Amino acid sequence: DTGVSQDPRHKITKRGQNVTFRCDPISEHNRLYWYRQTLGQGPEFLTYFQNEAQLEKSRLLSDRFSAERPKGSFSTLEIQRTEQGDSAMYLCASSFWENEQYFGPGTRLTVT
Amino acid sequence: DQQVKQNSPSLSVQEGRISILNCDYTNSMFDYFLWYKKYPAEGPTFLISISSIKDKNEDGRFTVFLNKSAKHLSLHIVPSQPGDSAVYFCAASSYGQNFVFGPGTRLSVLP
Repeated sequence: DTGVSQDPRHKITKRGQNVTFRCDPISEHNRLYWYRQTLGQGPEFLTYFQNEAQLEKSRLLSDRFSAERPKGSFSTLEIQRTEQGDSAMYLCASSFWENEQYFGPGTRLTVT
Repeated sequence: DQQVKQNSPSLSVQEGRISILNCDYTNSMFDYFLWYKKYPAEGPTFLISISSIKDKNEDGRFTVFLNKSAKHLSLHIVPSQPGDSAVYFCAASSYGQNFVFGPGTRLSVLP
């Protein structure tokens, strides 16, 4: 297994457009997490799945954000009507239950 | 309200010496603590963790100490190596949920 992968690595979009990011976790991991990281800050929790069930969502996750993990494997994070404040690094991580999380390389989003 | 704080944005240490990175937390419900290392253009990499039932955990050159009464933990790296230069994040969780990360400390190990 090559670890957690994320696609795309970079995304530049215009304000108001929709974007979708994909995360492929480590195959035997049942938990998948999404975080957002801005410059000079640590990762901020957005949401997590246990298998296909979305168990927790941060108040940071506005109505414009939606995440899915339809078959308990890969996950997608969609941002609708992007705003400049959405510009950040979006990190995905996976774990086996509540053990240590393994992070992907992230998707850097720039909203112009 | 920052639940996990790393008050030193940066730290410089000579190669071969000890690096001590500090982390403070405010939420007494946290029961699991982790340290991650991050290189530029990569995601954070897990280093070491500690449960609240312990006060020390060691893995090679890395040791984490937990002082629950002070709500403080620290990561000791000895001896420090130039390859340890990175940003270090402290993270905490309660009951395997609500993972909260600190803002990070940039460690520079000078040859």
